Amino acid sequence: GAGVSQSPSNKVTEKGKDVELRCDPISGHTALYWYRQSLGQGLEFLIYFQGNSAPDKSGLPSDRFSAERTGGSVSTLTIQRTQQEDSAVYLCASSLWSNQETQYFGPGTRLLVL
Amino acid sequence: AQTVTQSQPEMSVQEAETVTLSCTYDTSESNYYLFWYKQPPSRQMILVIRQEAYKQQNATENRFSVNFQKAAKSFSLKISDSQLGDTAMYFCAFMNPPGFGNEKLTFGTGTRLTIIP
Repeated sequence: GAGVSQSPSNKVTEKGKDVELRCDPISGHTALYWYRQSLGQGLEFLIYFQGNSAPDKSGLPSDRFSAERTGGSVSTLTIQRTQQEDSAVYLCASSLWSNQETQYFGPGTRLLVL
Repeated sequence: AQTVTQSQPEMSVQEAETVTLSCTYDTSESNYYLFWYKQPPSRQMILVIRQEAYKQQNATENRFSVNFQKAAKSFSLKISDSQLGDTAMYFCAFMNPPGFGNEKLTFGTGTRLTIIP
């Protein structure tokens, strides 16, 4: 595709429910990143994929958060048993290789946990 | 750990004027990358400009240019002939060089820029 796409654009869920957020990177990009943007914490790194493997999961805030990537393309970020503090915009970015310095971002998913 | 500081939470400027956004960072590395991203109300993060630390020449992209002062660890963004479409949040970001094993972006807290008609 022309750019990074994310779905859904917005998600409202109840506390305790699980949610899945999807990211489609730019075609041919092997590196994929998830970031979270919240009022209190600003923009923070969550996890990075090179191909289907995740060399750096250091930013995942708790074991309720997990992510996978299949076929070296689409990635899914899953949040189990959502809490109100999970409310944020979740941004996905991709780059051609992990050692290519420019990351291109998707429009994000705004998650609201009630 | 690397840190990025943007000391101007908000700025406003008249259309067609020039504005400079400040950014400082802290790192012990000598080679790295610096970026300015723009985030309009649409939420899409858009790359404005990037700078490789090993390059002495300041990067420019049309109306956007940077003043990279490596010794001072300063990386300011100058927007010339500002336009209404420049209204957005601007984030300064730092990244270690390839192969360092940590290719994540570290962001500053952002500067909200408003262009006044």
